[in-house]
Amino acid sequence: GNSVTQMEGPVTLSEEAFLTINCTYTATGYPSLFWYVQYPGEGLQLLLKATKADDKGSNKGFEATYRKETTSFHLEKGSVQVSDSAVYFCALSPTGNQFYFGTGTSLTVIP
Amino acid sequence: NAGVTQTPKFQVLKTGQSMTLQCAQDMNHNSMYWYRQDPGMGLRLIYYSASEGTTDKGEVPNGYNVSRLNKREFSLRLESAAPSQTSVYFCASRRLGGENTGELFFGEGSRLTVL
Repeated sequence: GNSVTQMEGPVTLSEEAFLTINCTYTATGYPSLFWYVQYPGEGLQLLLKATKADDKGSNKGFEATYRKETTSFHLEKGSVQVSDSAVYFCALSPTGNQFYFGTGTSLTVIP
Repeated sequence: NAGVTQTPKFQVLKTGQSMTLQCAQDMNHNSMYWYRQDPGMGLRLIYYSASEGTTDKGEVPNGYNVSRLNKREFSLRLESAAPSQTSVYFCASRRLGGENTGELFFGEGSRLTVL
């Protein structure tokens, strides 16, 4: 089957710290992988995506690399800011119409 | 460009009442989705519509019905609300049915409380 497992939160970091949020997946075929971000009181918005193995998605200083050999898509940022405080969701889309989301990781960045 | 618009944003119901959540997208997307978000459980798919005229059950369809009114609109109906349906509901749309590289675009959510 298809599923996404991401690290439990909440995560609290100081400003300018390095961020890693782990995400692993199980899937049939060759899925596309996504990271979404949800700011308080808002809907989810796409942060980055990768559509095939070894692709690196990047946006707003965040990066994630599609690793087929380890079935992972870990989110990283070298220096977080207070404005990065949000909930982050890893997701996959196998062939077909459905998306599968992880349970979300809450990040709080303190000044 | 409005994107995905959901109404209402907030609603309080009593057990047994009915209501419909409305969703419209102006991006000419084929596929539309309804999710619910509960603490610690991420997003769970209720129903989706791959294209106009088709609907399919997702992970948690019990207690809900949907209508794909046209290409733009996809509504979610609760016929007899229960406290377990207290949640935040998100509508989403996607460019092409069957294409797995396209991203989902989300509305801002509808917060429903059932007393």
